[in-house]
Amino acid sequence: GAGVSQSPSNKVTEKGKDVELRCDPISGHTALYWYRQSLGQGLEFLIYFQGNSAPDKSGLPSDRFSAERTGGSVSTLTIQRTQQEDSAVYLCASSGNSGNTIYFGEGSWLTVV
Amino acid sequence: QQQVKQSPQSLIVQKGGISIINCAYENTAFDYFPWYQQFPGKGPALLIAIRPDVSEKKEGRFTISFNKSAKQFSLHIMDSQPGDSATYFCAASRRSNDYKLSFGAGTTVTVRA
Repeated sequence: GAGVSQSPSNKVTEKGKDVELRCDPISGHTALYWYRQSLGQGLEFLIYFQGNSAPDKSGLPSDRFSAERTGGSVSTLTIQRTQQEDSAVYLCASSGNSGNTIYFGEGSWLTVV
Repeated sequence: QQQVKQSPQSLIVQKGGISIINCAYENTAFDYFPWYQQFPGKGPALLIAIRPDVSEKKEGRFTISFNKSAKQFSLHIMDSQPGDSATYFCAASRRSNDYKLSFGAGTTVTVRA
């Protein structure tokens, strides 16, 4: 597609349930990032994938969060046993190579009730 | 801890006026300073970026001023227009791993016609 595509755009889930958020990066982009944006806050780095290298998971806030990238393209961010503090917009981004312009998707708005 | 501090949290400017947003950082290893613009319901988009080898960069009505000794940088929006109304984020990273952007908390700019 023309840009970074994320789904779902909105998700309401009950506390304790697992959720999966999907990201389809710009075709040909080797780098993929996940950020979290809480209300009134800046963007918080979560995880980074670059090609076949081991992902940088240093930003994941707890072991309830995990992400994978299949075939070097689509990525899924999984949050297990969701908590209310997980409510945020989860933004995916991609770039051609580390250091190039990072293009963000429109985000997945997660609400945990 | 927030590595990039941004102010003000919000500002209102009249059409044709100048909007000024300031950011400060602590990590002297940072050497890439982008600004992102975000409209409601959209992902952030790169607006303009600077590296510390220059003190100013201008693109159209947008100018970044950079003060390496003070560890501060700012965004000036000249001749502000209603279409500039958005949230602006400053960010910083190290050249060696540009992907791990540290973002400021954001400034909501409202331009009144």
